[in-house]
Order: sequence, then structure tokens, then C-alpha cells
Amino acid sequence: EDQVTQSPEALRLQEGESSSLNCSYTVSGLRGLFWYRQDPGKGPEFLFTLYSAGEEKEKERLKATLTKKESFLHITAPKPEDSATYLCAGGRRDYGQNFVFGPGTRLSVLP
Amino acid sequence: DGGITQSPKYLFRKEGQNVTLSCEQNLNHDAMYWYRQDPGQGLRLIYYSQIVNDFQKGDIAEGYSVSREKKESFPLTVTSAQKNPTAFYLCASSILVSPHEQFFGPGTRLTVL
Repeated sequence: EDQVTQSPEALRLQEGESSSLNCSYTVSGLRGLFWYRQDPGKGPEFLFTLYSAGEEKEKERLKATLTKKESFLHITAPKPEDSATYLCAGGRRDYGQNFVFGPGTRLSVLP
Repeated sequence: DGGITQSPKYLFRKEGQNVTLSCEQNLNHDAMYWYRQDPGQGLRLIYYSQIVNDFQKGDIAEGYSVSREKKESFPLTVTSAQKNPTAFYLCASSILVSPHEQFFGPGTRLTVL
């Protein structure tokens, strides 16, 4: 069964304290690993898509990387406005049922 | 501005009532989706549609119904048969090529009184 897990469940950082979020996946025939940011009470906002092991993408203080079993979201020198829940999803070939979402990591950055 | 709108933002339902959640997109996307989000769980797919007048059940379709009469619109009805409907409901859309990033609306929070 296809599955995506994320760790830690929650993470508290001081402003400027860099860290990484983990997304582990077992998705047969993975076709893309997707990262989203979700603020409380709002819909997820798309961040990145990674397609192959070794690929990296960056956006401001965020960098996403992909291996054959995991993806990491690295946050460098975070600011309080980076506080949110970060979701990852494995993409698969089957149309419609094509995303498997993880439960998310709730990040809090304290000033 | 292109995007997805959902209404209402908050919805309260009495037990035994059917309620309909609205989802509209002006991104010209063919595919639309409905997800349910509960605390501590990943998004779970309720229904999806690739084309007008066609839709398919997702993992948790029981107690829900949808229609797709227009490309831009994909309303979700939560029926009285849904035993635990209190949740955050998210609508998304994407281009037809699979898989491709899905873009989400702002969500509707449904509470059963």
C-alpha cells in the first residue's frame, strides 16, 4: 500500500535556527514528490515538485531535496513568518487517485 | 486573478440535513478534486472529476455526492448519510496530465451541531 509519512509531527525553532523536515514515502512508481505550505484555516499553497533522486529546488529560505526513499525540506535561518504546516505528497500514475498525502509537520518559529 | 474560490468559509449543519459546498475555478483546469482534512491526518480524496459530466469516487466517497455540469464548477453535497461530517473541506484543480501539482481553494469548515 502506498504511504507517505512525515517527521517530526511538530517542530519549534528559534528565529535563525536552521533545521530539516523529513518526508518518507513508499509509493510504487513514484511520479513526483510535491511539497505544500498550509497556514491555519487556509488551503495548501504549492511550493515544489521534485521528479528524480538527487534533484534539488530552492525558494527563499527553503530547499527541497529528494532521494529514492525520502525527501527533505531544509529551512535556513527561518523567520516567524515561516511558521506553518508543511505537507508532502507522493504523485503516482493512477489518474485521479494520483496524490498520497502525508499528515504534515507543524513548524513554529519563535522570535 | 486566476484561482479557486470556495464558499461558504464556515458552515453549520444540523443532524439530518444535506448541505452543499461550492467550488469554482477560473484556471481553465480540466481536473477538479474534493478532499477532506481532519486533524493529524493527511488529506483524503472524496471525489474527483476529469471532465464535465463525469466524476469518480475517491477513498472516502460514502455519504457525499458531486456534480460537474460546468468545467468551472464542482459542488460537493454532504448528505445526512455521512456519519461524521465535521471537518475542513478542500477543493483543488489541476491540468489533466497526471500527476501534476494541484492548486487548492481556501477551504470550507463544516461543523455539525
